[in-house]
Amino acid sequence: QKEVEQDPGPLSVPEGAIVSLNCTYSNSAFQYFMWYRQYSRKGPELLMYTYSSGNKEDGRFTAQVDKSSKYISLFIRDSQPSDSATYLCAMSASSSNTGKLIFGQGTTLQVKP
Amino acid sequence: GAGVSQSPSNKVTEKGKDVELRCDPISGHTALYWYRQRLGQGLEFLIYFQGNSAPDKSGLPSDRFSAERTGESVSTLTIQRTQQEDSAVYLCASSTERDSPLHFGNGTRLTVT
Repeated sequence: QKEVEQDPGPLSVPEGAIVSLNCTYSNSAFQYFMWYRQYSRKGPELLMYTYSSGNKEDGRFTAQVDKSSKYISLFIRDSQPSDSATYLCAMSASSSNTGKLIFGQGTTLQVKP
Repeated sequence: GAGVSQSPSNKVTEKGKDVELRCDPISGHTALYWYRQRLGQGLEFLIYFQGNSAPDKSGLPSDRFSAERTGESVSTLTIQRTQQEDSAVYLCASSTERDSPLHFGNGTRLTVT
């Protein structure tokens, strides 16, 4: 069993839809949770960064962490064609090296105009 | 340049040859990471540098893989006697401190024929 599980999709939605992306994990030591967006042939770019449980909102993006269920989510409101990309969840246990991330497989999202 | 720069962007090599991949981190970033991304997969951690030292090289898949960093700047990842299973995108990332979010380059796409 992988430490982090993510549905690879692909996920196709119409423009304006609310998108929900999810990851589950098995390591209860994970404390730092991130979502990255990766366009084709580009490096991942950080979207959201949260520590421990709770919600964080940034514009059209909301990240949720439920440590009791070992489940994290990213919601995208009013999705746009420019949101079409692969979304990777990532997490880390170490407070001294949060760059050593465990990534999910990535979910490919297509937003159709 | 403001971002992490990697070269070459693409590399095709024959099985058994050695390759060197280069990473120029963001100026002033003391932490540097190498990750590998196989087709349709999430990122796998390879090695972490803090300054010129590598306190965590636990992700290097075999002794054919090595990396170094000089001048607390440029890093090179060397793969000796390449195998077909080494084909992947090799991503470099840097951060200001060990607990800061990562900034990724666009990667080197390595194809071993």
